Amino acid sequence: GESVGLHLPTLSVQEGDNSIINCAYSNSASDYFIWYKQESGKGPQFIIDIRSNMDKRQGQRVTVLLNKTVKHLSLQIAATQPGDSAVYFCAENIWTGANNLFFGTGTRLTVIP
Amino acid sequence: DAGITQSPRHKVTETGTPVTLRCHQTENHRYMYWYRQDPGHGLRLIHYSYGVKDTDKGEVSDGYSVSRSKTEDFLLTLESATSSQTSVYFCAISEEITDAGELFFGEGSRLTVL
Repeated sequence: GESVGLHLPTLSVQEGDNSIINCAYSNSASDYFIWYKQESGKGPQFIIDIRSNMDKRQGQRVTVLLNKTVKHLSLQIAATQPGDSAVYFCAENIWTGANNLFFGTGTRLTVIP
Repeated sequence: DAGITQSPRHKVTETGTPVTLRCHQTENHRYMYWYRQDPGHGLRLIHYSYGVKDTDKGEVSDGYSVSRSKTEDFLLTLESATSSQTSVYFCAISEEITDAGELFFGEGSRLTVL
């Protein structure tokens, strides 16, 4: 199967600091890379995506970087807030007539007030 | 929040019994998906549907079947539940035209097979 993994399972940051969550992938055929946020007891929520022909995309307080040379994806969260505490998943999308997402195992981000 | 309702939200059953999980959407989205989430594995795709009566297998489809008789409903059936199917199951939907991977997920159904 596909391999999408994370370097660190947990990350703790001080409120107001920037957070960086990393992800490695193995499939060069992926069309999109996506970040999802999952709060306790809830389903994953889409944060941001990046097309495979881009290397950077910015959203509101979040930036995703894609380095295809080393097959590495990162999510940067600026001015981290307590509400950002959650598990973050990277996923790669390979279109097979529908969105076929392969998820990583997740990183738990804890924001310290 | 996207209009996705999963039922039941919690279920405990015994090995060998049939189980059906239901996903209902009010968004009229074409694509629907069933994922399972287990510690250490993230989310894995079980089956998906690209229209009424059109379904296909995902990464971990063994032991599961699905049906979609109406746009709004996608059923996941475990014909004979096993302990390895203890998991949290998520339904997801996506719009007609997107290849970006933006799926909207339900709240999940926690299934325990004893």
